[in-house]
Amino acid sequence: DTAVSQTPKYLVTQMGNDKSIKCEQNLGHDTMYWYKQDSKKFLKIMFSYNNKELIINETVPNRFSPKSPDKAHLNLHINSLELGDSAVYFCASSPNGRQAGYTFGSGTRLTVV
Amino acid sequence: DQQVKQNSPSLSVQEGRISILNCDYTNSMFDYFLWYKKYPAEGPTFLISISSIKDKNEDGRFTVFLNKSAKHLSLHIVPSQPGDSAVYFCAASAGSSNTGKLIFGQGTTLQVKP
Repeated sequence: DTAVSQTPKYLVTQMGNDKSIKCEQNLGHDTMYWYKQDSKKFLKIMFSYNNKELIINETVPNRFSPKSPDKAHLNLHINSLELGDSAVYFCASSPNGRQAGYTFGSGTRLTVV
Repeated sequence: DQQVKQNSPSLSVQEGRISILNCDYTNSMFDYFLWYKKYPAEGPTFLISISSIKDKNEDGRFTVFLNKSAKHLSLHIVPSQPGDSAVYFCAASAGSSNTGKLIFGQGTTLQVKP
């Protein structure tokens, strides 16, 4: 029973398309995150929600829009995809309190062609 | 502006020997540090952490050392096993943010040879 699950695992799409990545956690955690791992392998935070409230919104193009219908779900919608959006996107969750660390999903590899 | 850096992209050690992975940071506000391990096609998994009030934390074969004056931390794995072969990420957070935001390094790929 996967703790943090992301779908799809792989996504290949053309420039200009709109796509969504879904994330669900069954750990009862209050906080969820989206991270992007770029070509240089750095994991960079994009967004964070705590109990459906946006608490972190890094400098990300507004083509990226997160949505959290409830505290167990955090989806990422991307409009007008560009070549530079190709990356691996990781969803993560954590209980309140940073010391607990994150539980990550297995990632979604997005390739824009 | 990378606040957390892992300057060695890769490390190769013999099974049974010690693996030492290094991490440097620049932000003096960081007060909590974590190491994550990542296998291919999987998400990173939490390994060990250390608070800035400590200089060492040990968990089985894994020990993390923190040198605050040098803004440097290291992960020691003793003895190294082939199953330890993975990418290791160092991460840091600042208590002032209280959002759980972690800043990650770019990872070091460890290969443990049988």
